[in-house]
Amino acid sequence: SQQGEEDPQALSIQEGENATMNCSYKTSINNLQWYRQNSGRGLVHLILIRSNEREKHSGRLRVTLDTSKKSSSLLITASRAADTASYFCATDKDDYKLSFGAGTTVTVRA
Amino acid sequence: EPEVTQTPSHQVTQMGQEVILRCVPISNHLYFYWYRQILGQKVEFLVSFYNNEISEKSEIFDDQFSVERPDGSNFTLKIRSTKLEDSAMYFCASSGGLGTQYFGPGTRLTVL
Repeated sequence: SQQGEEDPQALSIQEGENATMNCSYKTSINNLQWYRQNSGRGLVHLILIRSNEREKHSGRLRVTLDTSKKSSSLLITASRAADTASYFCATDKDDYKLSFGAGTTVTVRA
Repeated sequence: EPEVTQTPSHQVTQMGQEVILRCVPISNHLYFYWYRQILGQKVEFLVSFYNNEISEKSEIFDDQFSVERPDGSNFTLKIRSTKLEDSAMYFCASSGGLGTQYFGPGTRLTVL
């Protein structure tokens, strides 16, 4: 299985602080994507990083990918209460399926 | 911005009944998927669909499940005879083929 596994399982931070979460996977990949899920809701796509990329930014999000270590990190800077959610990494090897990790639950305290 | 839509948002059914979950993918996308998430667990891949046929399916996607693209816009998941363990959130997703998959808001299926 090429499933991603997130670390930590849960994270609680103060508003304005940065949140960092990590994802590890087992096999070679084409892409790694990060998704956000608010409680009981749908999955919102945040960012995709390809296997030949090392770092990508989107607004307050920064994603890194280290294919030699089979790991990725997601950094959310200057967190807001609205960032409270579960964050999942998902990997794919082709266009046909995503393998999801168990997710990191982030709580941003006001 | 285009988005994937799903209906119904919540479906309650009796064990053994058939259910059809409906999805309207993003209009110019070519790849379609169904995933499910049992409460408190990981999102699991069920099936992918491209060029009017199944591309890949998981072990979960047994003979009780089927997918169809009956027209140019809808993509459906049918469960022929629901079991208690089919209770989950079912997500449809679509992709234009560049990797990013866009998910719908999900259908919460409750089997009694």
